[in-house]
Amino acid sequence: EPEVTQTPSHQVTQMGQEVILRCVPISNHLYFYWYRQILGQKVEFLVSFYNNEISEKSEIFDDQFSVERPDGSNFTLKIRSTKLEDSAMYFCASSGGQGAGETQYFGPGTRLLVL
Amino acid sequence: GDSVTQMEGPVTLSEEAFLTINCTYTATGYPSLFWYVQYPGEGLQLLLKATKADDKGSNKGFEATYRKETTSFHLEKGSVQVSDSAVYFCALRGYSSASKIIFGSGTRLSIRP
Repeated sequence: EPEVTQTPSHQVTQMGQEVILRCVPISNHLYFYWYRQILGQKVEFLVSFYNNEISEKSEIFDDQFSVERPDGSNFTLKIRSTKLEDSAMYFCASSGGQGAGETQYFGPGTRLLVL
Repeated sequence: GDSVTQMEGPVTLSEEAFLTINCTYTATGYPSLFWYVQYPGEGLQLLLKATKADDKGSNKGFEATYRKETTSFHLEKGSVQVSDSAVYFCALRGYSSASKIIFGSGTRLSIRP
């Protein structure tokens, strides 16, 4: 069964450093998403991406964050200058459409720890 | 705005017990409703979904019915197994946003042998 993959599974970085989290969505999907889950808290929507542009973003997704689809398969989330509060599990997801009942398929997540 | 409220955990049950995890939602219009499950060390997996009122989603012995009159989508299973130990998230996708899924806080379920 096709699945979303994410790399790395864990990343430790120093505050102020840039990190890039990578995702390979399901191959025929057109809609891509990033969510995050701070330890012990809810899973929160960050951004959605379609047709090479952001279609929606949350308040969390400020100028420190950016997303890109650099080639036909990868979808990346960049955090330019990490803060301690960016420590979280980051989930990538993809879907084939955006109808109300469309399923978003999630990857296993990247656990980011900012020291 | 749209939101999801689910029962707080942790929930601990014995094997073969009946499970209910309560979930209620607030949304305009007619959202789609989901249950996702997160097994230890893994990502979020869709467990079941319902897209309109009175729909029943079911999978792996779990069921949930979309109740518009009570704005609820409670998860049930008649006989739980140790392998059902996980965190369960109720979620919705509203008409106000075609993109984002809004999650509840999650309920940790532990099943004793």
